Amino acid sequence: KAGVTQTPRYLIKTRGQQVTLSCSPISGHRSVSWYQQTPGQGLQFLFEYFSETQRNKGNFPGRFSGRQFSNSRSEMNVSTLELGDSALYLCASSFDGTSPLHFGNGTRLTVT
Amino acid sequence: DQQVKQNSPSLSVQEGRISILNCDYTNSMFDYFLWYKKYPAEGPTFLISISSIKDKNEDGRFTVFLNKSAKHLSLHIVPSQPGDSAVYFCAASYQGGKLIFGQGTELSVKP
Repeated sequence: KAGVTQTPRYLIKTRGQQVTLSCSPISGHRSVSWYQQTPGQGLQFLFEYFSETQRNKGNFPGRFSGRQFSNSRSEMNVSTLELGDSALYLCASSFDGTSPLHFGNGTRLTVT
Repeated sequence: DQQVKQNSPSLSVQEGRISILNCDYTNSMFDYFLWYKKYPAEGPTFLISISSIKDKNEDGRFTVFLNKSAKHLSLHIVPSQPGDSAVYFCAASYQGGKLIFGQGTELSVKP
């Protein structure tokens, strides 16, 4: 069974631009969660999607948004990028959101 | 408000000895706790979990202890191996909701 796939692995953007990150969950998993990892902050929860609906949301500004498609694939969008958005963005999937999450290898976003 | 805290950013242990990683939480409603391990350039991988109805769970060299009255969780690795060197995150959830992670502890096991 293929694991969680995130594309791209690395991304460099400039302030003010927008970016879209993609996540393909493990086959059969319907829940997809997104996390931001920065040094010293651990993993900060962004949002969770289940069956194309946002089920949970973290404390991030509205510039961070996401969506989930009917095949459970998910995208995360960040608009009007700021330097502080530089981080590793991790996607995780699970069957129903209650079982242990399976993480992808992340997308490293650098904002200059 | 950091609901899950790992107060030690790093820990160094000799190969063969015990590694003890600690985690504290503030929300008494949390009912499920997990430990994840993360190598550089990879996503976190699930290691072991414990429900709040238990106080101990073992899986091979890994044991997680839960002290609900102290709101404290610990992961014991015995014996520690160089391949265990990684960043360890504890996480907690309530009724299957979102996982709240700690800041992580970087474990270094010296040969």
